[in-house]
Amino acid sequence: GNSVTQMEGPVTLSEEAFLTINCTYTATGYPSLFWYVQYPGEGLQLLLKATKADDKGSNKGFEATYRKETTSFHLEKGSVQVSDSAVYFCALGNQAGTALIFGKGTTLSVSS
Amino acid sequence: GAVVSQHPSWVICKSGTSVKIECRSLDFQATTMFWYRQFPKQSLMLMATSNEGSKATYEQGVEKDKFLINHASLTLSTLTVTSAHPEDSSFYICSARGQRNEQFFGPGTRLTVL
Repeated sequence: GNSVTQMEGPVTLSEEAFLTINCTYTATGYPSLFWYVQYPGEGLQLLLKATKADDKGSNKGFEATYRKETTSFHLEKGSVQVSDSAVYFCALGNQAGTALIFGKGTTLSVSS
Repeated sequence: GAVVSQHPSWVICKSGTSVKIECRSLDFQATTMFWYRQFPKQSLMLMATSNEGSKATYEQGVEKDKFLINHASLTLSTLTVTSAHPEDSSFYICSARGQRNEQFFGPGTRLTVL
């Protein structure tokens, strides 16, 4: 079945450091891929998405490229801020809008 | 943008009682809503798919008689945890599907059963 594997955290970085959170997936067909962010005490917010191979999703300085050849959708940011501290979830879905399949989440802590 | 609310945001109840959680799409209609459960430091696991005007579809291992779902209107789905026990304590999150099949998540409801 479909699944998402995310690197385990926590990830601890200093402000302005480079961030990579790895995400790989297993799926049949042509899934859509998402990154969601969950700030402390809040619900999930869509950070970015990509719907087909080689698409790059980007938002708030975060980027992820849909790599079909490596079945990956790694999240990157060139310079993290303290306000980026949150839990990040990689997720897989489809065009029909069925329920998403989530990775286990990666906690990011950024210190000043 | 599309907003989904959940009520209550947190609830504490005694073992054996029932708790109802509401999920509302505030500015759009949603024929389909999803209910997820999140354990501490773990991922979201789909419990059921709620379809307006019809019975919910439950995932394997989820007791339909324990987790009652009602999607009576295009903007409201409810999850009732019946005869709650401490192991039901969790974070329950709903999402509503928009017109372009994107999903919008509610802020979640934290349930603690004593």
